[in-house]
Amino acid sequence: QKEVEQNSGPLSVPEGAIASLNCTYSDRVSQSFFWYRQYSGKSPELIMSIYSNGDKEDGRFTAQLNKASQYVSLLIRDSQPSDSATYLCAVRSNDYKLSFGAGTTVTVRA
Amino acid sequence: EAQVTQNPRYLITVTGKKLTVTCSQNMNHEYMSWYRQDPGLGLRQIYYSMNVEVTDKGDVPEGYKVSRKEKRNFPLILESPSPNQTSLYFCASRETGSNTEAFFGQGTRLTVV
Repeated sequence: QKEVEQNSGPLSVPEGAIASLNCTYSDRVSQSFFWYRQYSGKSPELIMSIYSNGDKEDGRFTAQLNKASQYVSLLIRDSQPSDSATYLCAVRSNDYKLSFGAGTTVTVRA
Repeated sequence: EAQVTQNPRYLITVTGKKLTVTCSQNMNHEYMSWYRQDPGLGLRQIYYSMNVEVTDKGDVPEGYKVSRKEKRNFPLILESPSPNQTSLYFCASRETGSNTEAFFGQGTRLTVV
């Protein structure tokens, strides 16, 4: 079993809609969770971090964490064509190890 | 400008020919790491360094070496590259007190034939 699993997509959403991305992780002691955005041919960019159960909002992005279900999600509201990218879920289980999912590719169609 | 700089951006080499990918950061970060990215597998950590002269293996260290003689530099060395090391490589660094890599280099696309 992979440590961090994401649906690979592609996830296609119309402009203005909500894109919902899901991520599950296997290490129950994980404490820190992150979402990165990666445009094609570019390096990953940190967009969200979440550490406690519940929701965390930053602009059009909302991260949701449920440690009991070992589940973290990212909602992108009012999706824009510029949101078209691959979104990587990352989980930190200790000070040194950051595990990434394979990423979900999102396409926002105008 | 705060940045992580990798070189080269693209490299095609032959099996067995030693190569080094350089990584340099100008933010005085203690923590640096190397990842490889392959389709369907995501980013996998190769090596990381907590500080000068302190390095440790990540998830996929086989076939790679690193060194950390200065805080700013963290080169990745492939002593005898093989085709299965064809990949996209990223160097990253983390601010002291932060718990995730927020600064990534531009990436190095390596092809071993």
